[in-house]
Amino acid sequence: GENVEQHPSTLSVQEGDSAVIKCTYSDSASNYFPWYKQELGKRPQLIIDIRSNVGEKKDQRIAVTLNKTAKHFSLHITETQPEDSAVYFCAASTDFRNTGNQFYFGTGTSLTVIP
Amino acid sequence: NAGVTQTPKFRVLKTGQSMTLLCAQDMNHEYMYWYRQDPGMGLRLIHYSVGEGTTAKGEVPDGYNVSRLKKQNFLLGLESAAPSQTSVYFCASSLRQRPNSPLHFGNGTRLTVT
Repeated sequence: GENVEQHPSTLSVQEGDSAVIKCTYSDSASNYFPWYKQELGKRPQLIIDIRSNVGEKKDQRIAVTLNKTAKHFSLHITETQPEDSAVYFCAASTDFRNTGNQFYFGTGTSLTVIP
Repeated sequence: NAGVTQTPKFRVLKTGQSMTLLCAQDMNHEYMYWYRQDPGMGLRLIHYSVGEGTTAKGEVPDGYNVSRLKKQNFLLGLESAAPSQTSVYFCASSLRQRPNSPLHFGNGTRLTVT
């Protein structure tokens, strides 16, 4: 099955700096890569996603890049703010027509933005 | 539109006891999933369902059973709870569409087995 690795496990940045979280995946059939943000005690919530036919996607201060050849994708947060502090999870998904969309998650990155 | 609702929110069990976690979604999603979340291990898939009356095993299915008798509900059962099943359990759902659609999560159930 798919194996998703995520680095770093913890990340501290000064407010206003950028944060980068990287993930690699093993299954070349994976074609959908969402990122989730989870605040303490809350549910994971989708913040951005990218499909395999796109190399980069941006939404305000958040961007995701995908390198299919190298099988890695990254989350970039610019101008970080204290409210960006949370655990971030990457995931890879393969769309199987009859067996559903299976999502495999990385182990998470705990981001702390220092005011 | 409540989205994905999980009950209960918290539960403490003794080893050997049984319980059922209920997940309900009102978004008419075909796919439903049960994940467990443990520190440092991310979200791991327990069981999933691609439609009413169907279920399948995920990465860590041992010790759990599931049922999907109605499209909107997905039940997770623990027949004989063990301390290793202490975890936070998340239910999620997604649309069956091309290309993939994202997961929508419930608020989670924190289970402690003593």
